[in-house]
Amino acid sequence: DGGITQSPKYLFRKEGQNVTLSCEQNLNHDAMYWYRQDPGQGLRLIYYSQIVNDFQKGDIAEGYSVSREKKESFPLTVTSAQKNPTAFYLCASSQTGATVAFFGQGTRLTVV
Amino acid sequence: AQSVTQLGSHVSVSEGALVLLRCNYSSSVPPYLFWYVQYPNQGLQLLLKYTTGATLVKGINGFEAEFKKSETSFHLTKPSAHMSDAAEYFCAVSEQGAQKLVFGQGTRLTINP
Repeated sequence: DGGITQSPKYLFRKEGQNVTLSCEQNLNHDAMYWYRQDPGQGLRLIYYSQIVNDFQKGDIAEGYSVSREKKESFPLTVTSAQKNPTAFYLCASSQTGATVAFFGQGTRLTVV
Repeated sequence: AQSVTQLGSHVSVSEGALVLLRCNYSSSVPPYLFWYVQYPNQGLQLLLKYTTGATLVKGINGFEAEFKKSETSFHLTKPSAHMSDAAEYFCAVSEQGAQKLVFGQGTRLTINP
């Protein structure tokens, strides 16, 4: 079945540590996105990539980094510079020129 | 810049009653509009979308929404609520031809038996 797989579903991190969230898609989509979700704030765009080896900052990129070495993969690293990383992170993808985004099941990151 | 405002962070209706979730948008260009649903600890699922053409769009699970340009609104409705409709609903906007979505704050829908 085609879809977007995010792993792990739950992740715990100690303060000061970097952590990488995985996102893989087998939909053959060109564009991929990372969103952060906090209660009452909706989804905010962190980074997006429209083609391999290229990505752009979204609205809240500070403290995050990404890579896009393969079409199907778009990992997100939450660095120690992110002051409030506890949140629900959603990965999405879409076909070039299409407006509909398909979402993964999310990763809940908690800093302990 | 585009923005979306969802009126009411929490809406509660009785089973069988009308569901109305409000969404207003701001866009300097003709928008594409979307409604997504999210169940607890899950990703988002597309309910329906408006791009061009007919302003009344029908989606999955009996939901529909009407694009009203004069009111810059895209309210989501369902004639008769079901317990399984309890979830969080997000309205989103994008520019025509663009791929970035701008989301509203979300509305949590509760269904009372």
